[in-house]
Formats: sequence, structure tokens, C-alpha cells
Amino acid sequence: AQTVTQSQPEMSVQEAETVTLSCTYDTSESDYYLFWYKQPPSRQMILVIRQEAYKQQNATENRFSVNFQKAAKSFSLKISDSQLGDAAMYFCAYRSAGDKLIFGTGTRLQVFP
Amino acid sequence: NAGVMQNPRHLVRRRGQEARLRCSPMKGHSHVYWYRQLPEEGLKFMVYLQKENIIDESGMPKERFSAEFPKEGPSILRIQQVVRGDSAAYFCASSPGLEDEQYFGPGTRLTVT
Repeated sequence: AQTVTQSQPEMSVQEAETVTLSCTYDTSESDYYLFWYKQPPSRQMILVIRQEAYKQQNATENRFSVNFQKAAKSFSLKISDSQLGDAAMYFCAYRSAGDKLIFGTGTRLQVFP
Repeated sequence: NAGVMQNPRHLVRRRGQEARLRCSPMKGHSHVYWYRQLPEEGLKFMVYLQKENIIDESGMPKERFSAEFPKEGPSILRIQQVVRGDSAAYFCASSPGLEDEQYFGPGTRLTVT
């Protein structure tokens, strides 16, 4: 069975600095997708970034980028130029083709002014 | 195009009562997923439905929980004889097809007193 592990329950960063959130996963599949979701206090799940496993190039969305290491089964999220609005829970998620999402336990990110 | 709608946003039930949670997928989306988030945890898959069919209910508790997605109208997650342990946030997500993005609704927070 596939699993997703987030080993950092909490992280903090100074405004305008860079922070990296870690995620590892376990799967025997070769075709799958990886996601980072943000959950602010409103509880709305917001998709931050998505990576297809067949793509070697790391996904980037403005200040958010990933470091996808397929062989190591690692999928970290880097947030550059952190803003106060980035404070939230961040969930890493895995999905094999046409299947349900499997989430990690989350990392709470605090941003200090 | 309106997003995924869930109602009610908050639901309070006494132990033993029934809870009905509704999810209206985005227009053109025929795939619906239900996830549950217990306090301080990540989201856990419950059930995946297409119109009039349950495709995967491997995450549903065997008793008291049921789900449907009729030809017309919203998807319903029904919890009979609720217990305190059912208190959680229940999220619905929809997608237009198997390989497509899942878009999340705002969730229903169920409190059992």
C-alpha cells in the first residue's frame, strides 16, 4: 500500500526568507502524481503545486517549487520569499492514475514578521 | 463556474441522530470523492463515486456510513446513529475524469455532542 510521510510537524520561517517542507512516499507504481495542498485556518484545501512522476523537470508555481527525487521517493516543497499569508497547514499527497488521494499528516508552517 | 459546494458548513448532532452531508460537484464533473479529517490529522479517503455507482468504498467504516451520488442532485454522505468519534471535517472533491485534478469543497464540520 502507498504511504506518505511528513516528518516535520511544525516549521517556522521569517518573512521574506525561504523554507523547505519535506515529504517522502512509498509506492511500487511507476505512474503517479504528487501534490502539495495548503490548508489555512478556513480549512479550505488549496492546491499549491502538482508533479507528474513521468516528468523529470521539477514543477514551479511562482514562489513555490518542488524538488522531486523519484529514485529516493522524495518530494519537498520550497517556498521562496515567504509571506505572512503562507502560514497554514501543508499536506503532501500522492495519487496513482485514476485513484484516490493519499495524504501525509501535514506540516504546520508559521511565518514570523 | 461555481466551485464544489458543500452544505451545511457546520452540523451539530446529538449522539444517536443521523447526519446528512451534501456535496454538489463542479459543473461537468461526474466523479466525487469523500474524505474525512479528524482533528489534528490529515485527510483520509472514504469513498469514490460516479453517477449512480460506488466505485471504491474501501475507506468507509463498515457500519452506519453510506454514500450515494444519484443521477440528479448532489452526492450525499449519510452517517446513522452518530457517535462522538464521528466528529470531524468531511470534505468532498470532484473531478471531470479519472486522470484529472480533484477540486475540493470547503468541507462540513460535524460536531457530535
